[in-house]
Amino acid sequence: GNSVTQMEGPVTLSEEAFLTINCTYTATGYPSLFWYVQYPGEGLQLLLKATKADDKGSNKGFEATYRKETTSFHLEKGSVQVSDSAVYFCALSEGGYNKLIFGAGTRLAVHP
Amino acid sequence: NAGVTQTPKFQVLKTGQSMTLQCAQDMNHEYMSWYRQDPGMGLRLIHYSVGAGITDQGEVPNGYNVSRSTTEDFPLRLLSAAPSQTSVYFCASSYPQPGRNEAFFGQGTRLTVV
Repeated sequence: GNSVTQMEGPVTLSEEAFLTINCTYTATGYPSLFWYVQYPGEGLQLLLKATKADDKGSNKGFEATYRKETTSFHLEKGSVQVSDSAVYFCALSEGGYNKLIFGAGTRLAVHP
Repeated sequence: NAGVTQTPKFQVLKTGQSMTLQCAQDMNHEYMSWYRQDPGMGLRLIHYSVGAGITDQGEVPNGYNVSRSTTEDFPLRLLSAAPSQTSVYFCASSYPQPGRNEAFFGQGTRLTVV
């Protein structure tokens, strides 16, 4: 079946460091891909998305490119801030009913 | 805009008790779904609905019931709570169209079964 694998955390960085969180997927067909972010005590918020191969999603300085040849959707940010500390989830949308399959989540902690 | 509203935010149940987690959305979304979040496992789909009167099972449906009598509401019922159902529960809604299919999530309900 379809699945999402993302790098284990926690990831600890200093402010202004470069961030990469790896995400790979297994899917039949052509799923949509998403990154969601969860701040402490809150629900999930959409960070960015891509709906077809080679699409690049971007938001708030974060970027991810839908790579079909490597089945990947890695999240990157050039300069992280303390306010980016959160849990990040990679997900794919399966089939026609928009069912989401999530990775396990990666906790990011950014220190001043 | 309220978006997706879940109640209650916190709940403690005794084993064997039943309860209903409420979810309401005001965005006229056709799709609604329930997920549970457990440490190290991401979110797993419990049940989902593609419209009023239509529901189906997700990955982990056992011990839960749902119904969808209106577009706005999608309650999740725990029939006889078990400690294994201790988790954080999230309701989500979305449009069906591929270009607008991002899910909007509620704030979650943290449930503890003792």
